[in-house]
Amino acid sequence: QLQLQESGPGLVKPSETLSLTCTVSGGSISSSSYYWGWIRQPPGKGLEWIGSIYYSGSTYYNPSLKSRVTISVDTSKNQFSLKLSSVTAADTAVYYCARPSDFWSGFKHWGQGTLVTVSS
Amino acid sequence: DIQMTQSPSSLSASVGDRVTITCQASQDISNYLNWYQQKPGKAPKLLIYDASNLETGVPSRFSGSGSGTDFTFTISSLQPEDIATYYCQQYDNLPGMYTFGQGTKLEIK
Repeated sequence: QLQLQESGPGLVKPSETLSLTCTVSGGSISSSSYYWGWIRQPPGKGLEWIGSIYYSGSTYYNPSLKSRVTISVDTSKNQFSLKLSSVTAADTAVYYCARPSDFWSGFKHWGQGTLVTVSS
Repeated sequence: DIQMTQSPSSLSASVGDRVTITCQASQDISNYLNWYQQKPGKAPKLLIYDASNLETGVPSRFSGSGSGTDFTFTISSLQPEDIATYYCQQYDNLPGMYTFGQGTKLEIK
């Protein structure tokens, strides 16, 4: 059974870089054709897609965040990662990693989410 | 960019009621529209994909319809466990972009 698990610091200072990793188990990132995604949700608010990555390293980003986002993949560790630079309090959110049900489609598999707070 | 307008933002209904949520796209998105259920403190769950297809294991009281710019999500007979926030989501037919609606918080009357 596919499982995704987010990990990383729960507290980041303003202007610094938020870094999260999603570890995939029960399936191989490199042997399956999916765009793996990051989605976030500020407390009490809606969902926002951040970006997605293919095992080859091909990426797509939300234009509203593109200048600050880098998503990378490490197939040897079966992980993909998110970096968001120059964070502010507005970046405080629960961050989810997810996998679509097909190559590029609805997100069927989700991690449990991790809360990242931006505060000094 | 495609904008998704979801309504209502909140809804109160009684057990057994038929509940309908709508989502409108700012341009034609064919059937590239999904519906999610999110319960407090949990990750979203994909219920309906490609506008009208029920995910495996999802109760048949949930359904979706529509194409182009106008979409509808329906719960035919509301159950207590359906209390959640529901989101529509459009996606590009080729890799590019996902956009979520603003969400509809469903409560029991």
